[in-house]
Amino acid sequence: EDQVTQSPEALRLQEGESSSLNCSYTVSGLRGLFWYRQDPGKGPEFLFTLYSAGEEKEKERLKATLTKKESFLHITAPKPEDSATYLCAVLGGGSQGNLIFGKGTKLSVKP
Amino acid sequence: NAGVTQTPKFRILKIGQSMTLQCAQDMNHNYMYWYRQDPGMGLKLIYYSVGAGITDKGEVPNGYNVSRSTTEDFPLRLELAAPSQTSVYFCASSNRENTEAFFGQGTRLTVV
Repeated sequence: EDQVTQSPEALRLQEGESSSLNCSYTVSGLRGLFWYRQDPGKGPEFLFTLYSAGEEKEKERLKATLTKKESFLHITAPKPEDSATYLCAVLGGGSQGNLIFGKGTKLSVKP
Repeated sequence: NAGVTQTPKFRILKIGQSMTLQCAQDMNHNYMYWYRQDPGMGLKLIYYSVGAGITDKGEVPNGYNVSRSTTEDFPLRLELAAPSQTSVYFCASSNRENTEAFFGQGTRLTVV
């Protein structure tokens, strides 16, 4: 059964304090790993797609990496506006359009 | 560009009532999805569609129905609402299966 586990559940950082969020997955035939950002009361907003181990993508203070078992979302020198819940999802080989989402990591960045 | 538009934003239903959640996208995407999000849980796929006239069940389809008569619209029907259907519902669309999905703002549904 495809599964996604995100850790930690919540993370509190001071502005400028870099850290990483983890997404561990088990899936048969990974066809894509997705990172989304979700603000309170809003729908998820797409950040990155990674397709194969070793792939990396960057956007402003965020960098996503992928191995065969997990993905990391690195946040460098975060700002308060980076506060949000970050969702990880995988699309496996056996699924038909069914993204399997993790429960998310709630990030709070204090000034 | 409106993207994905969901209506209504909020709704309170009584047990046994029915309603339709509306979803429309203006990006000419073939793939459309309905998810529900419960507190502390990941998003769960209810139904999805790969094109007009084609729909299929996701992980949690019981109690729901969908139709896809046009590329733009993908309504979700709740028949005989139950308290277990209290949730936030998100509609999404994507160009292909394994590319980024664009989400609507959600519909917060409470069944009492």
